[in-house]
Amino acid sequence: DVKVTQSSRYLVKRTGEKVFLECVQDMDHENMFWYRQDPGLGLRLIYFSYDVKMKEKGDIPEGYSVSREKKERFSLILESASTNQTSMYLCASSLPSINEQYFGPGTRLTVT
Amino acid sequence: EDQVTQSPEALRLQEGESSSLNCSYTVSGLRGLFWYRQDPGKGPEFLFTLYSAGEEKEKERLKATLTKKESFLHITAPKPEDSATYLCAVCGAGNNRKLIWGLGTSLAVNP
Repeated sequence: DVKVTQSSRYLVKRTGEKVFLECVQDMDHENMFWYRQDPGLGLRLIYFSYDVKMKEKGDIPEGYSVSREKKERFSLILESASTNQTSMYLCASSLPSINEQYFGPGTRLTVT
Repeated sequence: EDQVTQSPEALRLQEGESSSLNCSYTVSGLRGLFWYRQDPGKGPEFLFTLYSAGEEKEKERLKATLTKKESFLHITAPKPEDSATYLCAVCGAGNNRKLIWGLGTSLAVNP
């Protein structure tokens, strides 16, 4: 079974803090994704990566950056957290030729 | 523009009362349509992939079907544990790795 893990289930940070969200997958998937999910807005893609050290912007990259130094790990960075970044953050991975994505359990981030 | 619309937004059923969820899509060159189940506070769980019109997939009480414009998720004799939000997503030829997501249908099955 594909397993995607995320570093924290719940996180509370203050405005202006730098926040790191980590995601690890154990199935040797090339593609990895970061989404945020908000009521009424659904899943929105922040960034994705199709190879180590490669990244592409998704639909809402502003205020975020990412890092992928190893194939199994994809990090999302909030350079200076703001209250409008309070959300559920979901990481996913997939094979390059098969588009079905497998998700982690999510991190509920609250910025106060 | 690629788009996915799910209906209804919410559905309440009695245990054993069969029904269907709808996913209408507009995409250039469908590469796959995906159904997921999401429980509150958790990540989406993959259910099915459909690739071409006429294709059907089944898993327990769930059956997904696909036409050129929409997909249905049929739920036969649902149980309370089927209560969840069901998400639909598509991948088109112009999006390659990215999925276009619907907003989901929230299903509640009462005992």
